[in-house]
Amino acid sequence: EAGVTQFPSHSVIEKGQTVTLRCDPISGHDNLYWYRRVMGKEIKFLLHFVKESKQDESGMPNNRFLAERTGGTYSTLKVQPAELEDSGVYFCASSPESGLRYTQYFGPGTRLTVL
Amino acid sequence: GQSLEQPSEVTAVEGAIVQINCTYQTSGFYGLSWYQQHDGGAPTFLSYNALDGLEETGRFSSFLSRSDSYGYLLLQELQMKDSASYFCAVRDHYGGATNKLIFGTGTLLAVQP
Repeated sequence: EAGVTQFPSHSVIEKGQTVTLRCDPISGHDNLYWYRRVMGKEIKFLLHFVKESKQDESGMPNNRFLAERTGGTYSTLKVQPAELEDSGVYFCASSPESGLRYTQYFGPGTRLTVL
Repeated sequence: GQSLEQPSEVTAVEGAIVQINCTYQTSGFYGLSWYQQHDGGAPTFLSYNALDGLEETGRFSSFLSRSDSYGYLLLQELQMKDSASYFCAVRDHYGGATNKLIFGTGTLLAVQP
């Protein structure tokens, strides 16, 4: 079974530019999450999709961040315009419908550097 | 606020046993998870406790005490490949549905020969 995949693995952009990150969850997983880790800090939740609907976007830092999951499969996270403080590693995770045993499976992350 | 406290670094030798503690203070709590991360890569799920007590999975065990807002990860028979960062994470809940994870700052485990 293929795991969660993310593209690109690395992205270096200049302040003010736009970047789009993509996440492909494990096939059949309705729940998709975005997290990020900025330098030296903890991994922080951004938002959660159930299929194509945003279930919880309480962690989105501001309106420069836009997440979509059209069709309930892959998801994109767009940052426009990027700022220096957006640098960090962006992780995507997915899980099946939750039961008593709860596991989120993480992708390898996209390392974003804003210069 | 929401916080999870872990030691920043732990060092141990091969074959030893090490315990990584986690204390949490969160508005909601549905369980405590543990993840391993090598060299900044994908966090890998290790263990989950929803109820008090010990969960054992091979060389790894995890413990939870909800009354103390405390848990730990126990690694036995340490191997060099166990050198990694370990994160505790509280499963929170929003609006009655799933289920974001609130992470601790991570513990860097260094296993020495």
